[in-house]
Amino acid sequence: GQQVMQIPQYQHVQEGEDFTTYCNSSTTLSNIQWYKQRPGGHPVFLIQLVKSGEVKKQKRLTFQFGEAKKNSSLHITATQTTDVGTYFCAGPTSGTYKYIFGTGTRLKVLA
Amino acid sequence: NAGVTQTPKFRVLKTGQSMTLLCAQDMNHEYMYWYRQDPGMGLRLIHYSVGEGTTAKGEVPDGYNVSRLKKQNFLLGLESAAPSQTSVYFCASSHRQGAYNEQFFGPGTRLTVL
Repeated sequence: GQQVMQIPQYQHVQEGEDFTTYCNSSTTLSNIQWYKQRPGGHPVFLIQLVKSGEVKKQKRLTFQFGEAKKNSSLHITATQTTDVGTYFCAGPTSGTYKYIFGTGTRLKVLA
Repeated sequence: NAGVTQTPKFRVLKTGQSMTLLCAQDMNHEYMYWYRQDPGMGLRLIHYSVGEGTTAKGEVPDGYNVSRLKKQNFLLGLESAAPSQTSVYFCASSHRQGAYNEQFFGPGTRLTVL
């Protein structure tokens, strides 16, 4: 079945350093979503990418969708303590309304 | 506008007991989902529904049943709880697929099965 993998599983950075998490799907995706989950909280939608090679920015966050639509990345510039949490990517299974979530990357920011 | 709500927030069950988790949304969303979250496993889809009266299996449906009798409610039942069902359960809802179909998540139910 379809798999969505994320690396790294954990990342500790000093405040002000950059951070990147990568998402890889075993199949081509029609779109990809990114969510953030704060410790003890629930996932919150960040963005959806649809087009091949698409790049979107939200302040210090940059999201990319690969040309082959099988991978994606989230890059945070100059991390802040408010960026702490787990970042998930999610892709729909072909022809269904089901989304497969990646295993997530847990980010810890050291002040 | 409460968004997605879940009851209860916490529950402890003994092996073999049954229970129902309730999810309610007030956004008139067509799609609703039940996920479980375990450490290191991300979110795994249990069952989902694309409309009132319809349900379908997700990745890990065994041991669970669901019902969507009303558009705003999605119930998850555990018939005979097992320790392997100890997890955090999240409900989510979204509009019918379009340009953006972000999922809105509830606050979660933390379930422990002894």
